[in-house]
Amino acid sequence: AQSVAQPEDQVNVAEGNPLTVKCTYSVSGNPYLFWYVQYPNRGLQFLLKYITGDNLVKGSYGFEAEFNKSQTSFHLKKPSALVSDSALYFCAVRDSSDSNYQLIWGAGTKLIIKP
Amino acid sequence: DGGITQSPKYLFRKEGQNVTLSCEQNLNHDAMYWYRQDPGQGLRLIYYSQIVNDFQKGDIAEGYSVSREKKESFPLTVTSAQKNPTAFYLCASSIVAGALDGELFFGEGSRLTVL
Repeated sequence: AQSVAQPEDQVNVAEGNPLTVKCTYSVSGNPYLFWYVQYPNRGLQFLLKYITGDNLVKGSYGFEAEFNKSQTSFHLKKPSALVSDSALYFCAVRDSSDSNYQLIWGAGTKLIIKP
Repeated sequence: DGGITQSPKYLFRKEGQNVTLSCEQNLNHDAMYWYRQDPGQGLRLIYYSQIVNDFQKGDIAEGYSVSREKKESFPLTVTSAQKNPTAFYLCASSIVAGALDGELFFGEGSRLTVL
């Protein structure tokens, strides 16, 4: 069955330190992977996506994510965290073998950056 | 500016009443979606539409209805049959419905509270 797991409900990082938000997935076909960010009482904003090609994908606001096929992971990273990065982060996947092409969403990870 | 406009941002409803949430986009996107967000859960798909005058049920369509009479508009009606309608509702669009690599663009959301 298709699924996305974000194993951490919350991640706490000090400002200036590197951050990682984890995501693993399970699909039958090829994965199309996405990260979105949500600030309180707002809609989601697209950060980055992996479709094909280089395993390291760069996105908005200095974020990047690494696709690891053997570990079925797509972790979100940033070299130096800012307090303004504090938000809710969602990982999502589409399965190339799914005729409905719908996104499967993780439950979200709350990122807290402390000054 | 192009984008997705949801209204109202906050809405209160008495039990037994139907309520309609508005979603308008000027991005010229073919596909539109309605999601429900509850605390600690990922987004759950209510309905989606790939083309005007056509829509499909998502994972949690019971108690909801939609219409797609115009490309720009995809209103959601929360009916009295929805057992637990208090939630944050998000409207989204994408350029082409079947594009596996297409990201979603979200509105700012509507928070519905049933009194």
